[in-house]
Amino acid sequence: ETGVTQSPTHLIKTRGQQVTLRCSSQSGHNTVSWYQQALGQGPQFIFQYYREEENGRGNFPPRFSGLQFPNYSSELNVNALELDDSALYLCASSFDNSPLHFGNGTRLTVT
Amino acid sequence: AQSVTQPDIHITVSEGASLELRCNYSYGATPYLFWYVQSPGQGLQLLLKYFSGDTLVQGIKGFEAEFKRSQSSFNLRKPSVHWSDAAEYFCAVGAFGSGTYKYIFGTGTRLKVLA
Repeated sequence: ETGVTQSPTHLIKTRGQQVTLRCSSQSGHNTVSWYQQALGQGPQFIFQYYREEENGRGNFPPRFSGLQFPNYSSELNVNALELDDSALYLCASSFDNSPLHFGNGTRLTVT
Repeated sequence: AQSVTQPDIHITVSEGASLELRCNYSYGATPYLFWYVQSPGQGLQLLLKYFSGDTLVQGIKGFEAEFKRSQSSFNLRKPSVHWSDAAEYFCAVGAFGSGTYKYIFGTGTRLKVLA
């Protein structure tokens, strides 16, 4: 069984730019969630997608947006990057509300 | 408010010693509880979960956790720590709200193992 894969592994962007992070869900999973993990912190829920629709969002502004595709892969888009957006972005997939399976994350650095 | 507290930021134990990592949660209903482990530069790996039933749950790598409703705790234990257990450990509660199901994580406990 293929696990959750994320790309790229590392990314450096400049403040004000836009970024797209990608995630391939684990085989058989229909739900994808994105989390932001700042240095020294636990992961914070950004949003969740189920059947290509956003069905829940954490305390993140609208410049954080996402997509889920028919094959259950997903993208996280962040516009107008700010320095505080520097973090590890984790994608997690699950089947309905089964336990989350996480990818290894994308380390985003905003300068 | 829903929250998870891990009181210990860092813990150091000797290899072969026993380990207990503390986790306290605040949640209005019966919680779904999880422990994840994160090695440097890696994602989170599920160690164990509690949904219902037996309050002592067994996980991978020899870990176990005990759910105590009266203390709102879900502490992680291992009888004999191995050097490879050095990592960061996160406790999480699965929370329903606003039509979605999300995990609320604690801030983590970093485990150091002395040879």
